[in-house]
Amino acid sequence: DTEVTQTPKHLVMGMTNKKSLKCEQHMGHRAMYWYKQKAKKPPELMFVYSYEKLSINESVPSRFSPECPNSSLLNLHLHALQPEDSALYLCASSREGVSNEKLFFGSGTQLSVL
Amino acid sequence: GESVGLHLPTLSVQEGDNSIINCAYSNSASDYFIWYKQESGKGPQFIIDIRSNMDKRQGQRVTVLLNKTVKHLSLQIAATQPGDSAVYFCAEARHGGGNMLTFGGGTRLMVKP
Repeated sequence: DTEVTQTPKHLVMGMTNKKSLKCEQHMGHRAMYWYKQKAKKPPELMFVYSYEKLSINESVPSRFSPECPNSSLLNLHLHALQPEDSALYLCASSREGVSNEKLFFGSGTQLSVL
Repeated sequence: GESVGLHLPTLSVQEGDNSIINCAYSNSASDYFIWYKQESGKGPQFIIDIRSNMDKRQGQRVTVLLNKTVKHLSLQIAATQPGDSAVYFCAEARHGGGNMLTFGGGTRLMVKP
């Protein structure tokens, strides 16, 4: 299994809603990532988890809250989002989370904030 | 700040021709580079990578060239097919920087039948 699976594929939420994005991989990877991608732009790193511990937070607003329940799962909890947070949210994983590793990406969750 | 960028936002080629997608990077400390392909509605898909101790690496129908002197990276696709139509991103990382990939701006490749 070489897939990173993200659910849901599409999500529409209001600014007062609370929702969660989910990501799962069964490749035995120990690093997992959240990226944000606006239309026609490159992915931008948000968070990195290595061995289930948050290792990088790229100054992401607190309305985005990551969680790594175990080495196979990664969640992104959303609360009080703004319309400008509408984007494609990509999850990725890599073997160890050290330098010079390729990342494997899921298909993303397309989020619309109304 | 340091950045990775692309010269051409859109490249249109005839089916069967070779394609060359270019990327410039400015961080001289970067020592690992990846090319990703992203089709509409999908996440980035790994194509090929290269480390800074190499200047060329070949895969199936793809070749990556690295010129560290001018900080330039290119992706060559041989015999381009309609299925190659996508946006291509280069990404760079540096040793000791964790595994933080920085993506370039992307080039859309359009293959004409």
